[in-house]
Amino acid sequence: NAGVMQNPRHLVRRRGQEARLRCSPMKGHSHVYWYRQLPEEGLKFMVYLQKENIIDESGMPKERFSAEFPKEGPSILRIQQVVRGDSAAYFCASSRTAGELFFGEGSRLTVL
Amino acid sequence: KNEVEQSPQNLTAQEGEFITINCSYSVGISALHWLQQHPGGGIVSLFMLSSGKKKHGRLIATINIQEKHSSLHITASHPRDSAVYICAVRVPSGGGADGLTFGKGTHLIIQP
Repeated sequence: NAGVMQNPRHLVRRRGQEARLRCSPMKGHSHVYWYRQLPEEGLKFMVYLQKENIIDESGMPKERFSAEFPKEGPSILRIQQVVRGDSAAYFCASSRTAGELFFGEGSRLTVL
Repeated sequence: KNEVEQSPQNLTAQEGEFITINCSYSVGISALHWLQQHPGGGIVSLFMLSSGKKKHGRLIATINIQEKHSSLHITASHPRDSAVYICAVRVPSGGGADGLTFGKGTHLIIQP
């Protein structure tokens, strides 16, 4: 049973480009959470999704950021027109119910 | 607003020492997580607890709900325990639908 898989592990983008981060939850998990960890700061909640539904996106910036979790395939966090301040580690976690979380290895975005 | 405070922020110890990391929070919670993050690595969930004490190998986690305080102990510490340890609390509301609010982490270094 593979763990939570995130890719890419590292992503470099220039300002104005788009970044797409993927997360495949653990088998049998239908709850997916995205967190952002800025340099020298703690983890911050961004969005919580269940299959095909966004449950809570209160932690997501209102512009340029979007997330989806389609019926088939991984969850995707999309950042349009990236800026330097988007440089961070983005972690995905999954759970079967609102219980124990299992985290991925993270995707580290660097915006030049 | 729920605040999660960890202490110490940084801790350096010698191999074999008994380690204690503390976490205090300000509002009532339903559960508390201890997470481990290695440099440049992913996040591993160590414990989820809502009362009492849990033990896994050389790691012990305790929580005192009345005092709003939890401790993570490492017995017979080893250099491979060097990591950032993060406390996260689940509140019934707030912090996103998953209700998690994170501490900033404790940077632990175990020297051989």
